[in-house]
Amino acid sequence: GAVVSQHPSRVICKSGTSVKIECRSLDFQATTMFWYRQFPKQSLMLMATSNEGSKATYEQGVEKDKFLINHASLTLSTLTVTSAHPEDSSFYICSASLSGDQPQHFGDGTRLSIL
Amino acid sequence: AQSVSQHNHHVILSEAASLELGCNYSYGGTVNLFWYVQYPGQHLQLLLKYFSGDPLVKGIKGFEAEFIKSKFSFNLRKPSVQWSDTAEYFCAVTNAGNNRKLIWGLGTSLAVNP
Repeated sequence: GAVVSQHPSRVICKSGTSVKIECRSLDFQATTMFWYRQFPKQSLMLMATSNEGSKATYEQGVEKDKFLINHASLTLSTLTVTSAHPEDSSFYICSASLSGDQPQHFGDGTRLSIL
Repeated sequence: AQSVSQHNHHVILSEAASLELGCNYSYGGTVNLFWYVQYPGQHLQLLLKYFSGDPLVKGIKGFEAEFIKSKFSFNLRKPSVQWSDTAEYFCAVTNAGNNRKLIWGLGTSLAVNP
């Protein structure tokens, strides 16, 4: 149980385009989803916390207008990287938790490469 | 600010050797502690967690970890590793009042030679 599906697994696109990444909890309802970014040889960095039906909470230094997060239902959150540039190239990972003290369950991640 | 330190970045062991991966955190309050594992090509999976109670926590696949509050440590152990334990191991911490914001260590890459 507790499967989180993240799609796509890999994206390569031109600079200036917008990219949408989906995160779905397949067999449970996730009240909260998280979006992380991971740079090579660095730890996961929390970008934002997404609660169903409300605005996402962004971490300091993360541009809200650049990384749009929508959590429309208890099983789906999306991250849209708007007008992506090469410096946005990274590995993006989502996770979801049922509630409260429940551990997070992670998706497989999305490798984003901006040319 | 909270931080998590994993002492070993790369560990190479032979099968049947014992494993101990260090994890120290900095936070003065009550914490919840986690070890996650990422096998090659797979997503992060929870190995074990500590919220309260017995400081010796047993997880999946024969792993265990001991929370030593006085040392701010949560080291991961396994008495006898297998080739299939080859993976990246991450220690993470949340403060008990905000159990959702995980603070991560840099990870330890473990390679087990058959």
